[in-house]
Amino acid sequence: NAGVTQTPKFRILKIGQSMTLQCTQDMNHNYMYWYRQDPGMGLKLIYYSVGAGITDKGEVPNGYNVSRSTTEDFPLRLELAAPSQTSVYFCASSYLQGLGEQYFGPGTRLTVT
Amino acid sequence: AQTVTQSQPEMSVQEAETVTLSCTYDTSESNYYLFWYKQPPSRQMILVIRQEAYKQQNATENRFSVNFQKAAKSFSLKISDSQLGDTAMYFCAFMRGSGNTPLVFGKGTRLSVIA
Repeated sequence: NAGVTQTPKFRILKIGQSMTLQCTQDMNHNYMYWYRQDPGMGLKLIYYSVGAGITDKGEVPNGYNVSRSTTEDFPLRLELAAPSQTSVYFCASSYLQGLGEQYFGPGTRLTVT
Repeated sequence: AQTVTQSQPEMSVQEAETVTLSCTYDTSESNYYLFWYKQPPSRQMILVIRQEAYKQQNATENRFSVNFQKAAKSFSLKISDSQLGDTAMYFCAFMRGSGNTPLVFGKGTRLSVIA
């Protein structure tokens, strides 16, 4: 199993551009999450999903959108990128019997200039 | 809302010594999990140890153990026989309920193990 994969690993955007961060897991996990990590800080929840077709906002959802059309994929869309969205983005997944453990992808480092 | 506080931004320890990282949390939930995650320079988030709130016994994983004080809402991590590979950011995290809810993270403690 590849686990949780994220693409791209790095990206530089100009202010106002848009992009989609891809996240895929091959473990058949129902639950998926997007977090962002600002320099010197812990991770904060952007959006999460409890299954295909179901998503919900987290602590910092403004400027982002998500969709969950399949169990495997949970893309994060940035519209009209702003410098405040410069961060490292982590996708994670978990399963019902997993006793809370979340499996993290390697992260995407995004810089908006 | 739940909050997690790590009061030590940075710590250092000599190789083979023992170090304790502090974490406190605030919640009105009775059912929850607590975690310590390690983030080495590679940026990968690695689960170190997990504690279920209903369990009185402190969790241990090899050289890693916790001191869980539920009444005090304290959850410290002890690393014994520190190794150079333990150098990393360590995050304390809270999960409400019985699992599969989002994690709430502290700001982290940067641990340096010195040879």
